[in-house]
Amino acid sequence: GAVVSQHPSWVICKSGTSVKIECRSLDFQATTMFWYRQFPKQSLMLMATSNEGSKATYEQGVEKDKFLINHASLTLSTLTVTSAHPEDSSFYICSARGPQFEKLFFGSGTQLSVL
Amino acid sequence: AQKITQTQPGMFVQEKEAVTLDCTYDTSDQSYGLFWYKQPSSGEMIFLIYQGSYDEQNATEGRYSLNFQKARKSANLVISASQLGDSAMYFCAMREGRDSSYKLIFGSGTRLLVRP
Repeated sequence: GAVVSQHPSWVICKSGTSVKIECRSLDFQATTMFWYRQFPKQSLMLMATSNEGSKATYEQGVEKDKFLINHASLTLSTLTVTSAHPEDSSFYICSARGPQFEKLFFGSGTQLSVL
Repeated sequence: AQKITQTQPGMFVQEKEAVTLDCTYDTSDQSYGLFWYKQPSSGEMIFLIYQGSYDEQNATEGRYSLNFQKARKSANLVISASQLGDSAMYFCAMREGRDSSYKLIFGSGTRLLVRP
């Protein structure tokens, strides 16, 4: 089946630094990818829709200048958390629409801890 | 208003028995899709089953079946012959309309624990 690879799986950084998370579709082209955020014991909240070759579409309440999304190719989307603060600590997970129309495949997620 | 409601924060089931996880949804669209995902402690989201709003038959995938009751706007997941490896969080999700962006809205999840 379709595979979505996400790296790193976990990252610890100091407050004020920036962190980049990569999401790759390994065996299919993904014109659209999605970035979700999940706090402990909570559901997934959609942050933004990443569109290849164009600007990302952010959900209400998500700071686009803080969470920079780049979708430069059909197989790669990146999320950069700029000037990270402890409140940005969370589980971030990406997904991509697979070759089978109705399926959405997820990466394995990134646990971000900001000290 | 909540789009997807999962009223069971936690469920227990005995190994080899069947269990039903509840999900109700709210939409005014005629065309929509309903999904169930499993999230083990490792964090990955595993696709289980999909039901389209126009599908006349309930979806089945191995031990998973979706009890789709359109008039009641419910899409319950039935897991037959539970296994210890089924212990995980389960999320119901909905795609509204035929939006090409294809974003999903998730419910709050149900934690299932299978007892040996």
